[in-house]
Amino acid sequence: QSVLTQPPSASGTPGQRVTISCSGTNSNIENNVVNWYQHLPGTAPKLLIYSSNQRPSGVPDRFSGSKSGASASLAISGLQSEDEADYYCAAWDDSLNGVVFGGGTKLTVL
Amino acid sequence: QVQLQESGPGLVKPSETLSLTCTVSGDSMSSYYWTWIRQSPGKGLEWMGYIYYPGSTNYDPSLKSRVTISVDTSKNQFFLKLTSLTAADTAVYYCARGGYIYGPNAFDVWGQGTMVTVSS
Repeated sequence: QSVLTQPPSASGTPGQRVTISCSGTNSNIENNVVNWYQHLPGTAPKLLIYSSNQRPSGVPDRFSGSKSGASASLAISGLQSEDEADYYCAAWDDSLNGVVFGGGTKLTVL
Repeated sequence: QVQLQESGPGLVKPSETLSLTCTVSGDSMSSYYWTWIRQSPGKGLEWMGYIYYPGSTNYDPSLKSRVTISVDTSKNQFFLKLTSLTAADTAVYYCARGGYIYGPNAFDVWGQGTMVTVSS
């Protein structure tokens, strides 16, 4: 059971906008930034969003992040087949004194 | 360009100790959070801990009694030691860098991962 809660799956058709949620508590998301990772099987995870809503250089602006209270969201607009991957949220947890991940959301592009 | 590469045994026996090495190329090891993260088959990512040069460490509470992370800056390497292995430790182990401009817990560079199976 992951500390951060994500839906196990999400889907959309090419061109659509999809949103992935990440729910936490005041020990983690509410009082700390959220980072998002994209993970294609067999490859290294990739930092997609940092500080809740910032994109590292090279990440397309189709990807955006937001946070409100103890929840965060990743939005992908103009969905492409190459976006099919697992997505993880992560945050520092003040009670555990460590980084906690969500369980991951498998995104399928139909 | 910074690159990380894990190395170590692919198969270890239950109750034994796992030792993994992460070799860092393309940058100094100073002022970063050198981190180990694993992914068990069919499961999500799990943060194990980090070492912040020159040597402060922080470990996941559930692993704290079994895990040690150390560094050898002369070789540009950091290490993971995990004791008292069980089948539940079977996973792909990743090393990663935190603490660049994206924040201490944003891991911007990852190794490719190394699969470790715990079995007799």
